[in-house]
Amino acid sequence: SQQGEEDPQALSIQEGENATMNCSYKTSINNLQWYRQNSGRGLVHLILIRSNEREKHSGRLRVTLDTSKKSSSLLITASRAADTASYFCATDPRGYSTLTFGKGTMLLVSP
Amino acid sequence: AAGVIQSPRHLIKEKRETATLKCYPIPRHDTVYWYQQGPGQDPQFLISFYEKMQSDKGSIPDRFSAQQFSDYHSELNMSSLELGDSALYFCASSLGPTGGMGEAFFGQGTRLTVV
Repeated sequence: SQQGEEDPQALSIQEGENATMNCSYKTSINNLQWYRQNSGRGLVHLILIRSNEREKHSGRLRVTLDTSKKSSSLLITASRAADTASYFCATDPRGYSTLTFGKGTMLLVSP
Repeated sequence: AAGVIQSPRHLIKEKRETATLKCYPIPRHDTVYWYQQGPGQDPQFLISFYEKMQSDKGSIPDRFSAQQFSDYHSELNMSSLELGDSALYFCASSLGPTGGMGEAFFGQGTRLTVV
C-alpha cells in the first residue's frame, strides 16, 4: 500500500474555520512534505519538515511530525475559499531519491 | 523565477502510438523525477535521474523509457500506448543527490489522452 496514507479523504468546512489533515507513513524517512494541487493542475510545494523536527509553521500552515507514530498533520488556520484544493503528503523514504505520495485529502472551503 | 517546464501541456495519441514528454528542470537542479497521476489518484513515482544517471525506478512499465541529457533536461518515451496510460504526467526537479530529496519543484504536467 501507499507509503503515505491520508485522512480524511474529503473535508468540507466554512471559510474562517480550521482544517486539519492527517498523514501516516510506513518506513523511516528523511523528511515529509505537503503539497497542494488544484484540480488537474500542478503540485505546489507547501512545506517540508525534516525527521528531526516536530513542528513547523509557514503563514497559516502548521505541520507536525511524530516519527514514533509515523504520522504528520497539516493544519490550515482561518481557511479561505481559495484554499479549496487537494492536499497530499509525500515522504522521502530513507535511502531513496523519490517522493512517495499519499492519496490526498480533498478540501472544500465554502464561502 | 524559472520553474520546471514541461512540454507539451496536452497530448492526444491513439492506441499503440508513441509519445515523448519533455521536462526542463530549474537551472542548476541536477535531479529529475517523473510521476504519473491517473484521474482521482495520487501521483505515482515512475523514475528519477541524478546527474544524468538513472537514480531510482518505480512503477514504470517496460513500454516506457526515460533519460536525462547533458543539459539536464529529461524525456519520457512511451511506446505502444494503451488507454490506461491516459493520465497527468508530472516532472519535478530538485537540487540534491540521492537519498534526502529536499524540496522538489513540480512542473504543470502533461495531460496525455490515449484514444
